[in-house]
Amino acid sequence: QLHLQESGPGLVKPSETLSLSCSVSGGSISSITYYWGWIRQPPGKGLEWIGNIFYPGSAYYNPSLKSRVAISVDTSNTQFSLKLSSVTAADTAVYYCARRHVERGAFDFWGQGTMVTVSS
Amino acid sequence: QSVLTQPPSASGTPGQRVTISCSGSSSNIGSNTVNWYQQLPGTAPKLLIYNNNQRPSGVPDRFSGSKSGTSASLAISGLQSEDEAGYFCAAWDDSLHGFYVFGTGTKVTVL
Repeated sequence: QLHLQESGPGLVKPSETLSLSCSVSGGSISSITYYWGWIRQPPGKGLEWIGNIFYPGSAYYNPSLKSRVAISVDTSNTQFSLKLSSVTAADTAVYYCARRHVERGAFDFWGQGTMVTVSS
Repeated sequence: QSVLTQPPSASGTPGQRVTISCSGSSSNIGSNTVNWYQQLPGTAPKLLIYNNNQRPSGVPDRFSGSKSGTSASLAISGLQSEDEAGYFCAAWDDSLHGFYVFGTGTKVTVL
């Protein structure tokens, strides 16, 4: 059974870089059937797609975040990571990692999410 | 950034049919398939419908999706108390080199 688990600091200072990891178990990041992505949700608001990565390293980003975001697959091939630079309070959100089926085009499996607050 | 518009709320009594609309444009719903997600309070979203009208294994057939032109709809028939949740449509948008966009979300209340 696939399991996705987000991890990383719950508090980040303004102007610093937010770094999160998603641990993948019960499935393979190197599968050609799936993209691996990040989605976020500010408190009480809707969902925003951040980006996807296709093994080994083809990444696609939301144009509104593209200048600040990077998604990569760790050398262990069991984790993928998100880095978001120059954060502000507007980046405060629950961050989810998820698997996106290539053919179905939908995120069919999600992690439980991790809350990240940007504050000094 | 949402370019898919949903009504903020919808409601119904147990057993009723509730329909949620999702309005987009030619660059998203008009040219790509639509997905729907259900988000129960305090939990991660769950895929409900993919490819406009396909249900993943385990999703009750009370949930159905449809698409016409630049709009899509999710219908919940035989509404149950456990259906009280947020619902989001989503689609790929071909503008700006492409990006995945979610709808504004609809909160369904079971009266």
